[in-house]
Amino acid sequence: ETGVTQTPRHLVMGMTNKKSLKCEQHLGHNAMYWYKQSAKKPLELMFVYNFKEQTENNSVPSRFSPECPNSSHLFLHLHTLQPEDSALYLCASSQAVSASSYNEQFFGPGTRLTVL
Amino acid sequence: AQTVTQSQPEMSVQEAETVTLSCTYDTSESDYYLFWYKQPPSRQMILVIRQEAYKQQNATENRFSVNFQKAAKSFSLKISDSQLGDAAMYFCAYRSPNTGNQFYFGTGTSLTVIP
Repeated sequence: ETGVTQTPRHLVMGMTNKKSLKCEQHLGHNAMYWYKQSAKKPLELMFVYNFKEQTENNSVPSRFSPECPNSSHLFLHLHTLQPEDSALYLCASSQAVSASSYNEQFFGPGTRLTVL
Repeated sequence: AQTVTQSQPEMSVQEAETVTLSCTYDTSESDYYLFWYKQPPSRQMILVIRQEAYKQQNATENRFSVNFQKAAKSFSLKISDSQLGDAAMYFCAYRSPNTGNQFYFGTGTSLTVIP
């Protein structure tokens, strides 16, 4: 596997279920990100981890819980979601956060989440 | 927070022709980074081209080039000799060196290439 991978690619869950999204990067990066992508809206940054430490939490509801056990893996734990949480969830990675370089992000294919 | 505006939700271009996608942004900073990303249908988002604000020369990557107008806060993407594989959503993004690694994305432009 190369680049950034995400599993599962598609997920349908009820509002009372608990599920987890997984992201893995094979690029030797030290920063990882979760985004929510909804139609006709800008990508919404949810969480940022830099060297396994969470550095950003953009007012995300507590029903989304991230976990970063090491620099290569990132999880998003989901519980008691709402139908409006249905979206494409993208994972990305980059070199460690640095002010003076591009730090472009490399994206995974996303998980298409549907909450019934 | 910075805002990025893509005023063209949809664009179309004839194969082999040239198309320009617009992007404007709002910032008070003097140095920052700008990006164009491409997201083909059901495929991964990939970086197309990037530009650092203090570099006056417009970035070019093969058939893709930008027109960076710093004073106007404009960062348009030009695709020359359009190909069917260029059909995708295109997102403009801004990164500030002062807010960690937060990227600000526009709402995207859906590009259709007509054979």
